[in-house]
Amino acid sequence: NAGVTQTPKFRVLKTGQSMTLLCAQDMNHEYMYWYRQDPGMGLRLIHYSVGEGTTAKGEVPDGYNVSRLKKQNFLLGLESAAPSQTSVYFCASSRDRGGSEQYFGPGTRLTVT
Amino acid sequence: QQQVKQSPQSLIVQKGGIPIINCAYENTAFDYFPWYQQFPGKGPALLIAIRPDVSEKKEGRFTISFNKSAKQFSLHIMDSQPGDSATYFCAARTASKLTFGTGTRLQVTL
Repeated sequence: NAGVTQTPKFRVLKTGQSMTLLCAQDMNHEYMYWYRQDPGMGLRLIHYSVGEGTTAKGEVPDGYNVSRLKKQNFLLGLESAAPSQTSVYFCASSRDRGGSEQYFGPGTRLTVT
Repeated sequence: QQQVKQSPQSLIVQKGGIPIINCAYENTAFDYFPWYQQFPGKGPALLIAIRPDVSEKKEGRFTISFNKSAKQFSLHIMDSQPGDSATYFCAARTASKLTFGTGTRLQVTL
């Protein structure tokens, strides 16, 4: 099993550009999450999904959109990137509601110039 | 609003020492308290977790102490090793998601 995979691993964007981060999991988990990690801020939840076709806002959703068209995939989109979105993005999945054990991907390092 | 407060931000201990990382929360709806360990360049991974009806849980060299009345919990690492050098996050669960602390960078020196 690959677990949770994320693509790309690194990306540099210019302000105003758009991009999509892809997360895939092969554990048949219902729940998936997108976080951003910034120095001194810990992991902050951007959006999450409790099942295929569902999405919900987390703590810091502004400037991001998500889609969960297939159970195994969770996409995070930036429509118009801003320097404040420079961060490391982690996707996670869990079997149960509330994510008592979340399995994290390796992360995507995004720089917006 | 930081719902889970974690301290210290960083910690350096010698090999064999017992680092202690503390977390505090306000939301009494939290019902599960995990700790995650993250090595550089990797995603976090679950280390150990506790439910609020238990005051202590041990797994190997890692122990969680939980004080429900004070709304505080802490991670102790016994006989710490250089391989324990990582960032540690406490977290707290509500119905559908985890709220993480800000992390503690631990360095264990020889």
